[in-house]
Amino acid sequence: KAGVTQTPRYLIKTRGQQVTLSCSPISGHRSVSWYQQTPGQGLQFLFEYFSETQRNKGNFPGRFSGRQFSNSRSEMNVSTLELGDSALYLCASSLETHYEQYFGPGTRLTVT
Amino acid sequence: KNEVEQSPQNLTAQEGEFITINCSYSVGISALHWLQQHPGGGIVSLFMLSSGKKKHGRLIATINIQEKHSSLHITASHPRDSAVYICAVPYKYGNKLVFGAGTILRVKS
Repeated sequence: KAGVTQTPRYLIKTRGQQVTLSCSPISGHRSVSWYQQTPGQGLQFLFEYFSETQRNKGNFPGRFSGRQFSNSRSEMNVSTLELGDSALYLCASSLETHYEQYFGPGTRLTVT
Repeated sequence: KNEVEQSPQNLTAQEGEFITINCSYSVGISALHWLQQHPGGGIVSLFMLSSGKKKHGRLIATINIQEKHSSLHITASHPRDSAVYICAVPYKYGNKLVFGAGTILRVKS
C-alpha cells in the first residue's frame, strides 16, 4: 500500500498570503489528523477529520481551517499568514479511532 | 505541568550501549505511541502499546498503566539509531495526540 502523501513538500509564502496544503491518506483510512511542528513548541495537534467531519480541534486561531473529502483526502488552509506560522506541517492517517497513526513526510512552510 | 514528560532531553551514547528513554503522562489513556524522527525526516511510528511490552528488532517498549509510565529501550545501539524519539498519548476521544518534547539521541561510533 502507498503511504501517506503530502503536497507540496516545500512552500515559501509572504506574510498576509494564504496557503492550502494537501494530504492523501493510506487507502481505506478514514481518519486524517494534522499537526504543526516548530522548534519552539514541538509537535502540536491542529485538527482531526473522520469521514468528512471535524472531530477534534486544537488550540489554534480560526485562520487555520481544514476539510476532508469523500475519498478521505484532506486539505488544510491557513489564511493571513504570519511569520510564526513557519513550521513543518504533518498529517497522519489512521484506520479508526485509537489505531496506529501513519505520518506523511510533511510540508515545510516558510513565511517571509 | 505538561501532560507528557520525557527524559532525558538529550542523550549521547557509544555504539553498542543499552539505551533507555522514559515517558510519564498525567492523563488516562487507552494506548501510548512511540515515534521516531530522523534529522530533516518525517515521523515513523515505532510502537503503539496499551499494556505490557512490545519488541521489534533491537527496540523494546514497555508500559505500566497504573504508574502512567512507559520506557523505550534500544539494545546494541548503532549510529543509525541517532534520531529524536517522541512519546505521544491520545487525548480524550478521537485520534488527537499530545506529544512529549522528544529525546534527542546521538549514538557515536
